[in-house]
Amino acid sequence: DTGVSQDPRHKITKRGQNVTFRCDPISEHNRLYWYRQTLGQGPEFLTYFQNEAQLEKSRLLSDRFSAERPKGSFSTLEIQRTEQGDSAMYLCASSPNLGLATSYNEQFFGPGTRLTVL
Amino acid sequence: AQSVTQLDSQVPVFEEAPVELRCNYSSSVSVYLFWYVQYPNQGLQLLLKYLSGSTLVKGINGFEAEFNKSQTSFHLRIPSVHISDTAEYFCAVTNTNAGKSTFGDGTTLTVKP
Repeated sequence: DTGVSQDPRHKITKRGQNVTFRCDPISEHNRLYWYRQTLGQGPEFLTYFQNEAQLEKSRLLSDRFSAERPKGSFSTLEIQRTEQGDSAMYLCASSPNLGLATSYNEQFFGPGTRLTVL
Repeated sequence: AQSVTQLDSQVPVFEEAPVELRCNYSSSVSVYLFWYVQYPNQGLQLLLKYLSGSTLVKGINGFEAEFNKSQTSFHLRIPSVHISDTAEYFCAVTNTNAGKSTFGDGTTLTVKP
């Protein structure tokens, strides 16, 4: 199976610690998205990349959050000085991009990383 | 800006009954519409999508959704539910010029025997 993979699947950390999550998109997918999902709510957009360029960041992405996609393949999401409010499922998705400004391609979601901050 | 409202947070239903999960959206620009399903501790799986063309979209296992532009709705219909359909269902929109999606808060479908 060559779907979107995320690592780790679960992370428990203490408040104040830094954590880093990894997302491997489907091969050759240009676009990569990060979403956060808290209990009882739908996913909320955090940021997205086209190749290695980070094109948009949500206001939800405070300065403690940083995302990278250095070679346009896998991506990392780092949270510094974690807070209990950061506890959530972090979802990654990827989609191909035909290069047309008005085209849209289906997003394929990974299984998510569940973060618990104690 | 765009928003999605899923009108029912929880829908209990008996096995083999029909069910409709309601979704309304708001957007000042053209959008694409989606329904996803999420099982516990898993990611989202795409069920149906409306991009253009026929307003009635059909998926596997009889799932279908109808886009209604005047009512800004995209309701999901399941003609006969099964126990295995118990899950969280999310409606989402994305404007035609951007890749990110805006999701509703989900509807928990619980199918009882």
